[in-house]
Amino acid sequence: EVQLVESGGGLVQPGGSLRLSCAASGFTFSSYWMTWVRQAPGKGLEWVANIKEDGSEKYYVDSVKGRFTISRDNAKNSLYLQMNSLRAEDTAVYYCAGEYSFGGLLDYWGQGTLVTVSS
Amino acid sequence: QSVLTQPPSASGTPGQRVTISCSGSSSNIGTNYVYWYQQLPGTAPKPLIYRNNQRPSGVPDRFSGSKSGTSASLAISGLRSEDEADYYCATWDDSLSGRVFGTGTKVTVL
Repeated sequence: EVQLVESGGGLVQPGGSLRLSCAASGFTFSSYWMTWVRQAPGKGLEWVANIKEDGSEKYYVDSVKGRFTISRDNAKNSLYLQMNSLRAEDTAVYYCAGEYSFGGLLDYWGQGTLVTVSS
Repeated sequence: QSVLTQPPSASGTPGQRVTISCSGSSSNIGTNYVYWYQQLPGTAPKPLIYRNNQRPSGVPDRFSGSKSGTSASLAISGLRSEDEADYYCATWDDSLSGRVFGTGTKVTVL
């Protein structure tokens, strides 16, 4: 059974940092591009970043460039999102997802972890 | 602000056919495949359609997708109460070098 389990969410003050993790199992993690997607409360889906199978390519939405860093550890079947200089508008549920081909279908999704940026 | 535009809502009675549109541009839908996701209340999105009109295994054939030029659409035939959900289109945007999602459409079964 495929599982993606996010962790690391919580309440953080504006300007603070948080590191999200996503533990993968049930599929060949190292063969998949991995993606972070977020959803602000009551709003739609927003793609945040994705990373190539070997970590050699990364793409980010403009609003997080220079603040967020996506990374992965294939030996641990894990995906990460380091979030710095957090803003109120970063408040959202963050989902990790797997895509077998670049820009393709997001086949697998985690249940999400909530990040709240507030003083 | 999303670059893919969907109607905010759509509705129908059980058994009816509902269609959701997704409007983009030459740098996204016009060039790349379109994908559709279903998000039931309180849950993570689920893949519904890939490569414009293909269904992943397990998705009922009541769901169908199409694409023409810079627009795409999702059709749900034989509408059922369990189809009440939010639906999102998505694709890659070559100008933005990023994945883009549609604004989302809430489907209500009357």
